[in-house]
Amino acid sequence: KNEVEQSPQNLTAQEGEFITINCSYSVGISALHWLQQHPGGGIVSLFMLSSGKKKHGRLIATINIQEKHSSLHITASHPRDSAVYICAVRSYNTDKLIFGTGTRLQVFP
Amino acid sequence: NAGVMQNPRHLVRRRGQEARLRCSPMKGHSHVYWYRQLPEEGLKFMVYLQKENIIDESGMPKERFSAEFPKEGPSILRIQQVVRGDSAAYFCASSPPLTGRDYNEQFFGPGTRLTVL
Repeated sequence: KNEVEQSPQNLTAQEGEFITINCSYSVGISALHWLQQHPGGGIVSLFMLSSGKKKHGRLIATINIQEKHSSLHITASHPRDSAVYICAVRSYNTDKLIFGTGTRLQVFP
Repeated sequence: NAGVMQNPRHLVRRRGQEARLRCSPMKGHSHVYWYRQLPEEGLKFMVYLQKENIIDESGMPKERFSAEFPKEGPSILRIQQVVRGDSAAYFCASSPPLTGRDYNEQFFGPGTRLTVL
């Protein structure tokens, strides 16, 4: 079983829909990242959080440390949001990031 | 302030050749991390370096792979005698020195896509 699990693996949506991507982890962590990767492209860090909630534009990330769960929400989705979204956690005792396998999002006009 | 730079962006090598991947961290960053993304797989940690020191290389294959981050110049990930299974995207990330917080955010480079023929 992976230490970081994401769901769903694939997600399609119509433009304007509200999107939720989930991440569950099984290790003690000091921080959690949400990353965005476009096809053939680099990786952009969207959020780093260790508690509560963060918002940036149409993106919202939440984390529940007790339940070892985080969600990434996209409001008013747009085709340019189409990408792979990756959850990564920093294990409490190391500086290593442990990655989920990603959620592939496609938003259609 | 330029972001993390990696070169080359694409690298083609024949089996048995050497591959050298370079990573220039963001200005002021002294920590570098290398990650590998195999086709259709998730990212995996390889190695964590600070200037002139390897801090954690637990994700590096035992043979053919090495990494360095010299006092001057970029960090280098070196793969000797490449095989087809080394074909992957290699990403580096950098972070600034710790300043009392126990963790700083990592900023990723655009990656080097290695193809072994």
